[in-house]
Amino acid sequence: QKEVEQNSGPLSVPEGAIASLNCTYSDRGSQSFFWYRQYSGKSPELIMFIYSNGDKEDGRFTAQLNKASQYVSLLIRDSQPSDSATYLCAAYSGNTPLVFGKGTRLSVIA
Amino acid sequence: NAGVMQNPRHLVRRRGQEARLRCSPMKGHSHVYWYRQLPEEGLKFMVYLQKENIIDESGMPKERFSAEFPKEGPSILRIQQVVRGDSAAYFCASSPSQGFDTEAFFGQGTRLTVV
Repeated sequence: QKEVEQNSGPLSVPEGAIASLNCTYSDRGSQSFFWYRQYSGKSPELIMFIYSNGDKEDGRFTAQLNKASQYVSLLIRDSQPSDSATYLCAAYSGNTPLVFGKGTRLSVIA
Repeated sequence: NAGVMQNPRHLVRRRGQEARLRCSPMKGHSHVYWYRQLPEEGLKFMVYLQKENIIDESGMPKERFSAEFPKEGPSILRIQQVVRGDSAAYFCASSPSQGFDTEAFFGQGTRLTVV
């Protein structure tokens, strides 16, 4: 059973702080990893993806991947109230559809 | 270029009725994925289709659920004899090629309520 695990939260951070979201996955064959943001009642939107070990930065977002530990994280710098949403981690192994975690609810307090 | 279009956005059905959910992929996309999201849950894969073919239906319940993606027209997810447990948000995503990658986009979803 291929699984992606996330802490459901809520994770509360003050405005301007760094939010750290974590995810682990069970399938060692997973090749790429995605972070989606989902506002309440809306569809998921892709914000970051990562294939290689290490860090990948895009604006205020940094994705980190450690394949040996089967661990993926997303850092959001200078968190804003508009970042308050549920963040979904997903893993892709190339021959199966994307497997999603249950999501972590982030609340940025102004 | 319109995005992935799903309709209806909201659907209310009584127990025992049929629910029919439609998904029109983005232009140029011939691969469609259906996911279900229960309240406070993540997205669960249901079925993956290409035009006129079901590629992977491993996540779809064997009874009451069916899906199609005809040569012409939208992909349809059909739920017969709905029960309260079918109440969820159903999302469709489309991609231009095999594999759910960064070129895949989700529609706005259909929220099914069974009363």
